[in-house]
Order: sequence, then structure tokens, then C-alpha cells
Amino acid sequence: DIQMTQSPSTLSASVGDRVTISCRASQSISNWLAWYQQKPGKAPKLLIYKASSLESGVPSRFSGGGSGTEFTLTISSLQPDDFATYYCQQFNTYPLTFGGGTKVEIK
Amino acid sequence: EVQLVESGGGLVKPGGSLRLSCAASGFSFSDCSMAWVRQAPGKGLEWVSAISSSSRHIYHADSLKGRFTISRDNAKNSLYLQMNSLRAEDTAVYYCARLGLSPYCSTTSCPADYWGQGTLVIVSS
Repeated sequence: DIQMTQSPSTLSASVGDRVTISCRASQSISNWLAWYQQKPGKAPKLLIYKASSLESGVPSRFSGGGSGTEFTLTISSLQPDDFATYYCQQFNTYPLTFGGGTKVEIK
Repeated sequence: EVQLVESGGGLVKPGGSLRLSCAASGFSFSDCSMAWVRQAPGKGLEWVSAISSSSRHIYHADSLKGRFTISRDNAKNSLYLQMNSLRAEDTAVYYCARLGLSPYCSTTSCPADYWGQGTLVIVSS
């Protein structure tokens, strides 16, 4: 199985900060990576697919990058609505696997 | 509007069975692969099962060891998860998710572009 490792697990930041979350795959997954945002008590929401493609309706302050085994999710200017937990997921190979999550907290 | 509504969760004793359902609307259900994803209390997301549009291809997480079975009824726009021999560690919110269509997809699978609100399964004596 492909292991997905996210870092950091928790991130404290302020409104307006630039934030970057990392995701590493245990083997190459090309660009078959998605990022999701989840708020407490809610279902996850797709933000990014194919590593860097922005899902329709997602603000442009979100961007994704990387390929192979190293990926990033960047929020260019953190907004109050962005405090949440973020997950990466590979969809290159079954079983599909998620990273452990990164909780973005208010500093 | 795409809607996915799960049902069938609840309290069940260890060793028991439960069948989850997901009613889909607002899109052509028979064209889409579907999946179940679960989340234990306070934990991260865990992919459970996926099924192709025609049910030809089915995948389950290895950790389930044959206890769970995914299925669908395209005539009823419904997705199911039969869960047997339930254990305390199966306690989680279970989400139904639609797997996106091209250009979202690899040759193998797709990210989940729509999710239901989840149904809670508690396995406890």
C-alpha cells in the first residue's frame, strides 16, 4: 500500500499568513493527488485534484504543487474560514490512502 | 444539485451486522464510481471501499479482511455497505462519496468530489 505522510500535524497561524502543508507519498504517484478540507462535524470538501488543479468554486488563494512523491498545499493569505483540517489523498493505486491530516489553528 | 444521503447507522453489538445505504440524486448515478470513507471519533479519514459504475470493479481496504461488502443498485440510485462481524474499532462516521469523472481521474480511480453528511456507526456492548 502507498503510505501518505503529512506535515506538520498541527499548524498555528494568523489571518493573512501564507501557509504551506506538505504531503509525501511512499512511492511515486505521478500527479494523482487530491487535497480536502474538513471542518468539525462536516464532510470533507475537495479543494485540489491532480496535484494542482483547483476544484470549481474554491478560492484562488488555495494552490497545490508537486509531483512524484512530494506535494504541497499552499494558502496564500489565510482567512478566518480556512481554519480547518486538511488531508491529502492519493488516487494512483488501490487501496486509496489518505494522509494523517494537518489541523490549521488560530495563533 | 448533487445530493448523497446516508442512512442505516446506529448502535450495534460486537459481532453484529449493519447495512448502510446511500441515496443519490442530482446526477447520473449509473455513470459514476462510488466509495465509502470512514472516520473514527477524533481520527483521520480512512478509505473503506469503492465500486465502479457497472459494479464490474470492486475494491475494499485490506484491513477489512472480507467483513465489508460494497454494492449498488443503479435502478434505485443507491449505494450500500454491508458490514458483518463488527468490532469496536469499526466505530466511525461512514461517508458515502461520489468519485469524480474525467478530467479528475487517473487510469485507476478518481478523487471524491461530492460527499454525504455521514452516518454514525457505534459498535459497543
